Order: sequence, then C-alpha cells, then structure tokens
Amino acid sequence: QQQVKQSPQSLIVQKGGISIINCAYENTAFDYFPWYQQFPGKGPALLIAIRPDVSEKKEGRFTISFNKSAKQFSLHIMDSQPGDSATYFCAAIMDSNYQLIWGAGTKLIIKP
Amino acid sequence: DAGVTQSPTHLIKTRGQHVTLRCSPISGHKSVSWYQQVLGQGPQFIFQYYEKEERGRGNFPDRFSARQFPNYSSELNVNALLLGDSALYLCASSFSVTYGYTFGSGTRLTVV
Repeated sequence: QQQVKQSPQSLIVQKGGISIINCAYENTAFDYFPWYQQFPGKGPALLIAIRPDVSEKKEGRFTISFNKSAKQFSLHIMDSQPGDSATYFCAAIMDSNYQLIWGAGTKLIIKP
Repeated sequence: DAGVTQSPTHLIKTRGQHVTLRCSPISGHKSVSWYQQVLGQGPQFIFQYYEKEERGRGNFPDRFSARQFPNYSSELNVNALLLGDSALYLCASSFSVTYGYTFGSGTRLTVV
C-alpha cells in the first residue's frame, strides 16, 4: 500500500514532442505528490507538485494531471527539449508522515 | 545561496568497515532527511531529523544511525559495511517537517 508505481521505465521522445510519464498509488492517505528531475551525478530536484484536491497544475512546459478516483497522476512535458533528458521520479507523502515514497524512475531521452 | 552540502562526494570502503557521511542543510532549514539510492532505483527513506530529534526511521537495519547537531547539520553512520550498502546517499533539508525538500548531490559510497 505504500508503493508508487511508475511507468514507463524509459522513454525516447523527439525534440518538440510531448513526454508523458505515469504514476499510480494505492494509499489514499497520501496528500502531496511531487515530481523530481535528476541528472547524472546530481541529487533530485523538485520540478512540480500537486495536492489531490486539484486535477491539474501547470508550470511552464510542465503539467501534472491528477485523477483522484483512479489514484493516478502523470507528468506531461510539452515541447520537450534535449536539456530535459534526465531521470524523472514521481513521489508521494502524507502530512502525518515524513518520508517520501518514490516511484522507480523514468529515464527520458529527447532526440534532437 | 548555498544549497545542501554533502561530504565526501565519493568514498570507497571495505566490507566490515564503518563510514560517516556528513550533511549541511540550507541556512534556516531545521529538517534533515537521509535517503539511499541504489543505481537504477528510486531513493529509499532512511531517517528524518527535525529540531535535533529523530522524527522518522525507514526500514533499515540498526547498522544505520544518524544524528543532528545544534547547527542542524547531520551525520549518517553505517557500521559493518556490506557490499549491498553501495549506493548514492542523499541528504535533503527543508524548512518544514514534510514539504519543500531540497536535495544535495549525494555521497557515492562503494563497498568492496
């Protein structure tokens, strides 16, 4: 119940295309869902986050779509650029807890 | 502004040895969390400290211990190292207990 399942494991998108990464969770007690971007040799960096009372959040080219009834959320990267090539992690956390529960990650490659 | 600083950046140890990893949080951040990231996987929660008190502990053996100092910096100690302890160890700091984590670049530990 503590797991967050992330797909796909890897993704190749042409420059200018839309990258879509999906996550699913079981525990309805989760109330904060961040996405992190990690470049090789670096720690994860917070990209965008959402709470379950919101169905969509957009920041620049990055959008989170949230489906509370299906217990799924996804990250959309519009106009994908080679600089977006990185590993992306979804995560979940509860207000009453202190640990981020992470997905397994998606390695995104944007082809020029 | 200085981010989260971790030292050392890389470390090679022999099985059975002890290791101490250090973390300096962002100024003003009172919460420090430690995560272990095995290659190709999402980070796993080890500990969280807030105001020098342990607030959470993940599913790690007692060989792992940590503490937070009055200046909010933190140490992670691992005793009796095993080959399976080889990983990237990430420290994250935040102002609040639950949200807004900023990660350091990590310490790459290799156990041989």
